[in-house]
Order: sequence, then C-alpha cells, then structure tokens
Amino acid sequence: DTEVTQTPKHLVMGMTNKKSLKCEQHMGHRAMYWYKQKAKKPPELMFVYSYEKLSINESVPSRFSPECPNSSLLNLHLHALQPEDSALYLCASSPRDGAPSYEQYFGPGTRLTVT
Amino acid sequence: QKEVEQNSGPLSVPEGAIASLNCTYSDRGSQSFFWYRQYSGKSPELIMSIYSNGDKEDGRFTAQLNKASQYVSLLIRDSQPSDSATYLCAVQGGYQKVTFGIGTKLQVIP
Repeated sequence: DTEVTQTPKHLVMGMTNKKSLKCEQHMGHRAMYWYKQKAKKPPELMFVYSYEKLSINESVPSRFSPECPNSSLLNLHLHALQPEDSALYLCASSPRDGAPSYEQYFGPGTRLTVT
Repeated sequence: QKEVEQNSGPLSVPEGAIASLNCTYSDRGSQSFFWYRQYSGKSPELIMSIYSNGDKEDGRFTAQLNKASQYVSLLIRDSQPSDSATYLCAVQGGYQKVTFGIGTKLQVIP
C-alpha cells in the first residue's frame, strides 16, 4: 500500500473558525511533511516531522499548528486564518530519515478556502 | 538567485516525440534529485529519483544528472497526450529539506 490519505478533500472556513486537516500513511514511513501550494507555484515546505518529533518549522505563522499523534498520523490545526492562506495543503511522507533518499509520496491534498 | 530553476513553459511537443525538461540548482552540496509530475488540480507524483552522475532510465523516462554543471534533466520518449502535466524538479538542499522548482508545463499535441 503506497498511499497517503488526507481529509477533508475540500474545506471552507471563516477567519474565526478552528479546523483540522488530517493525514495518514500506512507505509511505515518515518518522516512526514506539510506543504502549502498556491496556484501555479511549487509546493512550499511548512513542517517536517521525523520519528514523530517536529524537526523543521519553516517560520510558519502560529495560526498553523502541526501535531503528530503517532508515526502514521499527521494533523494540521488551523485557527484564525487569513484569506491569503487559501491554498492546496499537501501532506507527504518519506521512507528514510536521511540521505541519500528523500523520496516523498504525496497525499491528494486538501483544498482550503478561507472566507 | 533561485535555488532550483526551471523554465515554466509551456513546452509543446507532438505525440510520439521526445520531451526534454531541464532544471538547474544552486547548492553544490545537493545529493538527491527528483522529478515529480503534477496534473492540474492534483498532487505531485514521484516519477524519477537520481543520486549519481549519469543517466537513469525507467520505461519511457530517463533522468540525467551532471553535478559539475549543477544540471538535471528529464527525457520523456514517445510522448503521449496523457503526459501533459506540470513537471516539478526537486532537489534535496539540506537535512530533510527538499526544494521544488516552479515546474515546467508540458503539452503533448495529438
């Protein structure tokens, strides 16, 4: 099973709402990632979890709060977002934690719209 | 200077031709290089990874790496309309960090 799942597929939320994005993988991967992708732009790294510990936070605003409950699950908690946060949020996982391979497998993404 | 550079295209090729996609990167210490395919509205899909200089072939795809020139390319032989997508070059630029280029949009004309 080489699948990363994400829920929900679409999310519309107001600026005062609190919501969560969920990601799950059952490939035994030890690193998991959150990316943000705007239209016609490449994915931008937000967070990296390695062995369930946050290892990279790319200076993401605190209105985004990641959580890794276990090695298969990754959540992204959202609070007081701005309209410019509207984007495709991608979760990815990779089998190895270290060189030479960082082959990442992406989930289908959550299309987020902030109104 | 951008870390990973690609021509955004579109690159148009006729069906059956070879599509050549190019990418340059700035970090000489990079060790891992990837090509992802992304259809419109979908998530990126890993199609090739390459770690050493030279060519790596997988079916109709060939990745080429030249670390001295800081250049990586993807050749798609016998291009099909279903290959029409954006191709993202990605480079491992630090511990656990992979940087993506802007992507080249490929259009295969039937």
